Amino acid sequence: GAGVSQSPSNKVTEKGKDVELRCDPISGHTALYWYRQSLGQGLEFLIYFQGNSAPDKSGLPSDRFSAERTGGSVSTLTIQRTQQEDSAVYLCASSASGLNTEAFFGQGTRLTVV
Amino acid sequence: QKEVEQNSGPLSVPEGAIASLNCTYSDRGSQSFFWYRQYSGKSPELIMFIYSNGDKEDGRFTAQLNKASQYVSLLIRDSQPSDSATYLCAVNEGYSTLTFGKGTMLLVSP
Repeated sequence: GAGVSQSPSNKVTEKGKDVELRCDPISGHTALYWYRQSLGQGLEFLIYFQGNSAPDKSGLPSDRFSAERTGGSVSTLTIQRTQQEDSAVYLCASSASGLNTEAFFGQGTRLTVV
Repeated sequence: QKEVEQNSGPLSVPEGAIASLNCTYSDRGSQSFFWYRQYSGKSPELIMFIYSNGDKEDGRFTAQLNKASQYVSLLIRDSQPSDSATYLCAVNEGYSTLTFGKGTMLLVSP
């Protein structure tokens, strides 16, 4: 597609349930980023994929969070046993590479844990 | 830990004035610098990037980079009410993630 696509746009889930968020990057982009943004707050880095290299998972807040990227394209962020503090907008971005290239964001997934 | 600092604002300017947004970063190895604009309830939108010391102009926007001082700024000339948004500074060190500042809210009054 022309831009970064995320699905679903909105997700409401019950506390304790697992959720999967999907990101489809711009075709040909080798770098993919996940961020989280709580209401009125800045962007919190979660995880970064660059080509076939091991991902940088240093931003994942707990072991309930995991992400994978299949075939160097689509990425899925999984949150297990969701908690109310997981409620936020989850943003995905991609870039042509990690070096001196611009990253473009998807529209985000708004997650609400009730 | 890499840090990117921005004044949270709000920065209030009248329509037609120049808005100056500033950002400092901690990692001297940083190589590329980006300014994003984020309207309320929307995702960040890239407006400028700069890799070399000096100024880079694009329409009403000018990005300024001073690596020695670890400082990057964004000037918006002839500010318009539609420029009212939060401006995010982001920094990248080679093949690594983008580190964002918390953003500066800009309010342009008619």
